[in-house]
Amino acid sequence: QVQLQESGPGLVKPSETLSLTCTVSGGSISTYYWTWIRQPAGKGLEWIGRIYAGGSTNYNPSLKSRVTMSIDTSKNQLSLRLSSVTAADTAVYYCARAVAAALNWFDPWGQGTLVTVSS
Amino acid sequence: DIVMTQSPDSLAVSLGERATINCKSSQSVFYSSNNKNYLTWYQQKPGQPPKLLIYWASTRESGVPDRFSGSGSGTHFTLTISSLQAEDVAVYYCQQYYSTPWTFGQGTKVELK
Repeated sequence: QVQLQESGPGLVKPSETLSLTCTVSGGSISTYYWTWIRQPAGKGLEWIGRIYAGGSTNYNPSLKSRVTMSIDTSKNQLSLRLSSVTAADTAVYYCARAVAAALNWFDPWGQGTLVTVSS
Repeated sequence: DIVMTQSPDSLAVSLGERATINCKSSQSVFYSSNNKNYLTWYQQKPGQPPKLLIYWASTRESGVPDRFSGSGSGTHFTLTISSLQAEDVAVYYCQQYYSTPWTFGQGTKVELK
């Protein structure tokens, strides 16, 4: 079965760039849409954006100016970069899979990785 | 953006009793072309990622117990747990996938009474 695992620095300084990787195992990254979602502690879920294996992306307009997603099919990995971070970007970041372009429910999810923005 | 509003924010239910969670969208998430509601439900337990329960508003994901059911159409939706079990204590979220940005409700916390 497909498993996702997020990785990256747990602490990022304000104004710097947050960089995370999601490694997909147990299946190919090539035929699905992959999404990033975040969740501040004790709060709800925010969709950040999605990327298809071919590289096409859709971003949440609220974050679009700061977000870049990429995909490396040879490594079965996707990446998230969020620039100019502030304390408001402190959250658990999840990667998840969507089945198809119009089937945007998410399953499975990674376990999530906590990113804290602090000096 | 489509705003998803859940009610209540929390509820306490006795074991074996029914739990009902409501989700309202700020605009319809129903596509008449395929007669489907673009609405899903997740369950999140502490320290875990969300788990998919239901999609198309009422289709249960494989392996999800049949005490979980989804209903509704257009802008009003309901998740029902027919007989609450201890393992159902969690936060439940609805999410629309009708239009980007995909948005979630604020969550409903289900506790044991």
